[in-house]
Amino acid sequence: GAVVSQHPSRVICKSGTSVKIECRSLDFQATTMFWYRQFPKQSLMLMATSNEGSKATYEQGVEKDKFLINHASLTLSTLTVTSAHPEDSSFYICSARPPDQPQHFGDGTRLSIL
Amino acid sequence: DAKTTQPPSMDCAEGRAANLPCNHSTISGNEYVYWYRQIHSQGPQYIIHGLKNNETNEMASLIITEDRKSSTLILPHATLRDTAVYYCIVRASGGYQKVTFGTGTKLQVIP
Repeated sequence: GAVVSQHPSRVICKSGTSVKIECRSLDFQATTMFWYRQFPKQSLMLMATSNEGSKATYEQGVEKDKFLINHASLTLSTLTVTSAHPEDSSFYICSARPPDQPQHFGDGTRLSIL
Repeated sequence: DAKTTQPPSMDCAEGRAANLPCNHSTISGNEYVYWYRQIHSQGPQYIIHGLKNNETNEMASLIITEDRKSSTLILPHATLRDTAVYYCIVRASGGYQKVTFGTGTKLQVIP
């Protein structure tokens, strides 16, 4: 069964809206989670590393004020796309690593900004 | 993480073995070879990983060359549901290291 759960699976909203995506580790604690973005016909691009109890680490070129990450508990990380615009439309995916296992990925969130 | 090179696309007849190659000539001694696949509009799915020995599980087999500079993922009897993008990734195991994706191989299983 799934070990990493994302919610919602799909979001459609108007330009200027802020959208929050949740990533949960199921049955294990994850002090670190990762957020990726994937545009059509492209590979996954790492956006940031989410660290429980501390600030996220963002990859070069990713705006930290645009993509707010909160990792307030050992099983939940959230990504908030602030004031979303059509160019933020993408497939957002999170991942976490259960103990003694490889990274597992959520099923992704399809974000469409109108 | 060491860089990997994969062919952009491959076709395979249904029921036949699919052999997906990956080059990782700069792999370090402590780096593992991981394979994931991504079916359309889903998150990546872990398939298999190995260090230097060949590995097999219920999904696939992984053959790593003796010099560890390349590997092959084998799906023994491909089905239509195996149509996906397959990613070969090299990284050290342990800790909380990020997974960096290359462009992968788009495998099309043909009826």
